[in-house]
Amino acid sequence: KAGVTQTPRYLIKTRGQQVTLSCSPISGHRSVSWYQQTPGQGLQFLFEYFSETQRNKGNFPGRFSGRQFSNSRSEMNVSTLELGDSALYLCASSLNFAGVDNEQFFGPGTRLTVL
Amino acid sequence: DQQVKQNSPSLSVQEGRISILNCDYTNSMFDYFLWYKKYPAEGPTFLISISSIKDKNEDGRFTVFLNKSAKHLSLHIVPSQPGDSAVYFCAASRRNRDDKIIFGKGTRLHILP
Repeated sequence: KAGVTQTPRYLIKTRGQQVTLSCSPISGHRSVSWYQQTPGQGLQFLFEYFSETQRNKGNFPGRFSGRQFSNSRSEMNVSTLELGDSALYLCASSLNFAGVDNEQFFGPGTRLTVL
Repeated sequence: DQQVKQNSPSLSVQEGRISILNCDYTNSMFDYFLWYKKYPAEGPTFLISISSIKDKNEDGRFTVFLNKSAKHLSLHIVPSQPGDSAVYFCAASRRNRDDKIIFGKGTRLHILP
């Protein structure tokens, strides 16, 4: 069974640009969550999508958005990039709602560098 | 406001000895706690968890202890092996609410030969 895949793996952008990251969950998983990992803040929850609907949202500005398609694949978009958006963006999928009873499986992440 | 705190950014332990990673939380509503392990260039993987109705959970070389009154949990790895070198994330949630899982900043564990 294939794991969670994220594309691209590495990305370099400049301030003010926008970026779209993609995540393909494990087959059959309906929930996709996005996290931002930085050295200073650790793993911070961005949002969770379940059956194409945003179920949960973290404390990030509106420049961060996402969506989920009918095949459960998800995309995350960041507009008007800032230097502080440089981070590893991780996607995680779970069979049902992401929570303690539904183990989350993480992808390898997309390393975004904003210059 | 960090609800889950891992105050040690890094820890070095001799191979074969015990590694103890600590985690504190502030939200008394949390009733489920997890540890994840992360290698470079890979996503975190689930390691072990504990419910608030228990004070200890063991899985092979890994044991998690929970002290609810102190809002503190720890992960013990005995004996430590070179493959244990990784970043360890403590996480917490409220089980019955299906709330999002809150992660700490992580502790980088180095196992020394």
